[in-house]
Amino acid sequence: QITLKESGPTLVKPTQTLTLTCTFSGFSLSTNGVGVGWIRQPPGKALEWLALIYWDDDKRYRSSLKSRLTITKDTSKNQVVLTMTNMDPVDTATYYCAHSAYASGSYRIIDYWGQGTLVTVSS
Amino acid sequence: DIQMTQSPSSLSASVGDRVTITCRASQGISNSLAWFQQKPGKAPKSLIYAASSLQTGVPSRFSGSRSGTDFTLTISSLQPEDFATYYCQQYDSYPLTFGGGTKVEIK
Repeated sequence: QITLKESGPTLVKPTQTLTLTCTFSGFSLSTNGVGVGWIRQPPGKALEWLALIYWDDDKRYRSSLKSRLTITKDTSKNQVVLTMTNMDPVDTATYYCAHSAYASGSYRIIDYWGQGTLVTVSS
Repeated sequence: DIQMTQSPSSLSASVGDRVTITCRASQGISNSLAWFQQKPGKAPKSLIYAASSLQTGVPSRFSGSRSGTDFTLTISSLQPEDFATYYCQQYDSYPLTFGGGTKVEIK
């Protein structure tokens, strides 16, 4: 079955760079139609999509954060890494990675989520 | 960016009630709409994609529909495990955007 798990620091200081790793199993990111994305959720607030990387290395970013985000994949390790530069307290959130698949004419169907990891930005 | 507006933001209902949640897109998104369920402290769970297709394993009491740019999630008979927050999400275009959520509470 498909599982995903996020890992990374729980606390980062303002202006630092955050690096999160999503380690997954049950699928390959070299399979046509598959993607892995990142979504975050500030405490008590709604979900916010950040980035997505596809099997063919196509990458998509939230435009308002594009200058700060980088998403990469390591197919051999079954990992996707998200880096976010210049962290600020407003970036405090639970960060989720998620699997996307092709269905009904779209490659953007999110169907499986990781458990999430809370990242706090504070000095 | 496409804005997704959910209503109501919260509702109280009893076990066995029929519950309807609405999501309106700020522009046309075809059927590119998904619904997620989130319980406190847990990751979201995927319920529906393509406006009305159930994800594998989702009970048939959940259903989705579309009328133009208005989308509806219906729970035909609310069960104790359905008390949660529900989010809609459009995937017609980037950035993928979510609604603000609807919290379903016990009456």
